[in-house]
Amino acid sequence: ETGVTQTPRHLVMGMTNKKSLKCEQHLGHNAMYWYKQSAKKPLELMFVYSLEERVENNSVPSRFSPECPNSSHLFLHLHTLQPEDSALYLCASSQRAGEKLFFGSGTQLSVL
Amino acid sequence: GQQLNQSPQSMFIQEGEDVSMNCTSSSIFNTWLWYKQDPGEGPVLLIALYKAGELTSNGRLTAQFGITRKDSFLNISASIPSDVGIYFCAGPSKNAGNMLTFGGGTRLMVKP
Repeated sequence: ETGVTQTPRHLVMGMTNKKSLKCEQHLGHNAMYWYKQSAKKPLELMFVYSLEERVENNSVPSRFSPECPNSSHLFLHLHTLQPEDSALYLCASSQRAGEKLFFGSGTQLSVL
Repeated sequence: GQQLNQSPQSMFIQEGEDVSMNCTSSSIFNTWLWYKQDPGEGPVLLIALYKAGELTSNGRLTAQFGITRKDSFLNISASIPSDVGIYFCAGPSKNAGNMLTFGGGTRLMVKP
């Protein structure tokens, strides 16, 4: 496999569920990102990890919790989400933070 | 802030026609990136521009870095049905720690 791989591709969860999104990059990059894409809104940067250190976006609710165990893997842990959190969640990586991004295919999340 | 404004928001064209879209900002950018997103997928990098005035092609796609460094243009020649998708411009934003900020996208629809 090459590039950026995200699992699952689709996820339906209730508001009381706990789930995790997974991302893996095979590009040897040092930075990884989570973006949220909602209908009719620009891509929103949620979190950035550079060399496994987090650059936090303070506007992200605490019900979203990222984890970066190493430079190739990134998780987004979800807990007590709201219906308005339904969106496409995209993982991306870059050689260094702020450089051109390579995206995964995304996880389409529906919160019921 | 360093927002990117894309126009038009959407286009519906006939197969074979040429397409032009642009991206503008009130602030200077040092890099312009153009991405395409197919339905249900993550954005894919098409063209990267690093120098004012630069003109770069990728097949039927041509992008230019505006000489004022506040705009960029993407042209598609002889459109085909697989050009359908959303085209995003992006650039590193000083307001976001030089992380990439994205425009709202231009949705392209091609009629066979």
